[in-house]
Amino acid sequence: SQTIHQWPATLVQPVGSPLSLECTVEGTSNPNLYWYRQAAGRGLQLLFYSVGIGQISSEVPQNLSASRPQDRQFILSSKKLLLSDSGFYLCAWGGQLSSTGELFFGEGSRLTVL
Amino acid sequence: DAKTTQPPSMDCAEGRAANLPCNHSTISGNEYVYWYRQIHSQGPQYIIHGLKNNETNEMASLIITEDRKSSTLILPHATLRDTAVYYCIVRPGNKLVFGAGTILRVKS
Repeated sequence: SQTIHQWPATLVQPVGSPLSLECTVEGTSNPNLYWYRQAAGRGLQLLFYSVGIGQISSEVPQNLSASRPQDRQFILSSKKLLLSDSGFYLCAWGGQLSSTGELFFGEGSRLTVL
Repeated sequence: DAKTTQPPSMDCAEGRAANLPCNHSTISGNEYVYWYRQIHSQGPQYIIHGLKNNETNEMASLIITEDRKSSTLILPHATLRDTAVYYCIVRPGNKLVFGAGTILRVKS
């Protein structure tokens, strides 16, 4: 069966520090991968998605970046965090267009920037 | 991208059916309607999806109007654990873009 893991689960970082959130998927190959962010009391915002290794689409201009160094690994990074980067970050995977389109979400990473 | 419109919040009595509406008047012929829900501090959970026929699974039923411009998610016997934010989404390509959703409060 397929599983998705995110880490760390909780992170407290000072403004201006770097960030690295990691997501891995097991039990499937060539998945679509997604990073979403949810600010406190707000809806889910799609940040990045990837249809293959090295292929990243950015949905919102910001100081975050994403990379997909391996088929089932998706990394969210920042060189210098801002206060506005605080939020709940969710990684998700899904099949290709021909599948049902269901997305499976990880447990989330809660980032607080102080 | 087809957009969806949902009421911001709804209340439902425990044990009664919860009917959550969604308008998607600009939906294209090959776009599916998806429903997810998010319980506080968790990732969204897939509920159901459909193209033009009504669908039913162990969680819910999805009723899509004949012109496909709106749909209704039905939770037949709502429980307190169904309290969550419910998202209606029309999928453009590889992306699922979540709107504000409907906060469903199930009350005893």
